[in-house]
Amino acid sequence: QVQLLQSGAEVKKPGASVKVSCKASGYSFTNYGISWVRQAPGQGLEWMGWISAYNGNTNYVQKFQGRVTMTTDTSTSTAYMELRSLRSDDTAVYYCAREGNDILTGYPIDYWGQGTLVTVSS
Amino acid sequence: EIVLTQSPGTLALSPGERATLSCRASQSVRSDCLAWYQQKPGQAPRLLIYGASIRATGIPDRFSGSGSGTDFTLTISRLEPEDFAVYYCRQYGSSPRTFGQGTKLEIK
Repeated sequence: QVQLLQSGAEVKKPGASVKVSCKASGYSFTNYGISWVRQAPGQGLEWMGWISAYNGNTNYVQKFQGRVTMTTDTSTSTAYMELRSLRSDDTAVYYCAREGNDILTGYPIDYWGQGTLVTVSS
Repeated sequence: EIVLTQSPGTLALSPGERATLSCRASQSVRSDCLAWYQQKPGQAPRLLIYGASIRATGIPDRFSGSGSGTDFTLTISRLEPEDFAVYYCRQYGSSPRTFGQGTKLEIK
């Protein structure tokens, strides 16, 4: 069965960076892409961007451009999301989720990781 | 960017009743690339409907989706106790992908 297993909770100081991992299993990793979605406490879902596990192409939401980097390691079927220059309003649960392999092709998010809580506090 | 507006923000109903949730897009959603997700407290979202009207694997048939273009609806025909949760719509036909702000379905 498809599983996305994320790394554990993180506590970071303002200005620091965080790197969250997402290990995929139960499917052919390079046949899909990975989206990253975050959810601030008590708030809705916010799409941050996407990476193709096939060729590494990325598509980031403009508000995160310059602060986020999404990568994949096909040898371990793992996706990573690094967010830099953290602020208190980056405190959120960060989810990885399986999506299509081409941002131009309409394919929905169909599986989600369990989420990683990132707390930014001085 | 396509803005999705969900209504109502909160819906209070009793088990056995019918729930109708709306998702309106600021511009037409390509090829009806519209999905609905259910999220319970402390859990990741779960895919219910994609392609506006196609039930995902394992989703009970009391859940149905309809609509096209800019107006979409999620209907739960007879509410079960486990259906009380927050529901989000999301468009995946253009970038950036966007979510609605959510509808909280609570027990009356």
